[in-house]
Amino acid sequence: EVQLLESGGGLVQPGGSLRLSCAASGFPFSNYAMSWVRQAPGKGLEWVSTISGSASSTYYADSVKGRFTISRDNSKNTLYLQMNSLRVEDTAVYYCAKGLLRYQDYWGQGTLVTVSS
Amino acid sequence: QSALTQPASVSGSPGQSITISCTGTSNDVGGYNYVSWFQQHPGKAPKLMIYDVSNRPSGVPDRFSGSKSGNTASLTISGLQAEDEADYYCSSYTSSITLVFGGGTKLTVL
Repeated sequence: EVQLLESGGGLVQPGGSLRLSCAASGFPFSNYAMSWVRQAPGKGLEWVSTISGSASSTYYADSVKGRFTISRDNSKNTLYLQMNSLRVEDTAVYYCAKGLLRYQDYWGQGTLVTVSS
Repeated sequence: QSALTQPASVSGSPGQSITISCTGTSNDVGGYNYVSWFQQHPGKAPKLMIYDVSNRPSGVPDRFSGSKSGNTASLTISGLQAEDEADYYCSSYTSSITLVFGGGTKLTVL
């Protein structure tokens, strides 16, 4: 059974940093691209970033490019999202999802990031 | 990259059929057969219902179907059931090597 468990969310001040983690199990992690998708309170889904299985390719939404960094540790079956220079508008539930840009077939339950002073 | 356009809400009675549209451009929906549909119940994670325009993952009822014509994709749910009440989102791969979602459609089962 595929399981994705996000962690690392919390309250951070504008301009601060946070690192999210997503622990994966139930599938050969290194064989699959992984993505982060966020959802602001009461709003729709917004794609954030995707990384290939080997980590050789990364893709970012314009809204986070230069501030967020996606990475993975295939030895630990873990996906990361390093978020720097956080803004109020980055407040959202962040989901990790298995799959590349084409589609995402499994999603975690999400972790809430709140950017506020 | 602008969000794909979906109706804010649709409704239908149990047993009826409804269709949700998702309109993009030739740089996303119209240019690739990489449109997906997700179902999201309140407080829950999204669930993949359709991928590559019209394919259903294992376990998704065949009451759910997808199609595409030009720059517009559609999700049709036939034989509406109470548990289908949820938010539905479309997404598409884009020519910029990114992913774009629709704004979401709230389905109400009357």
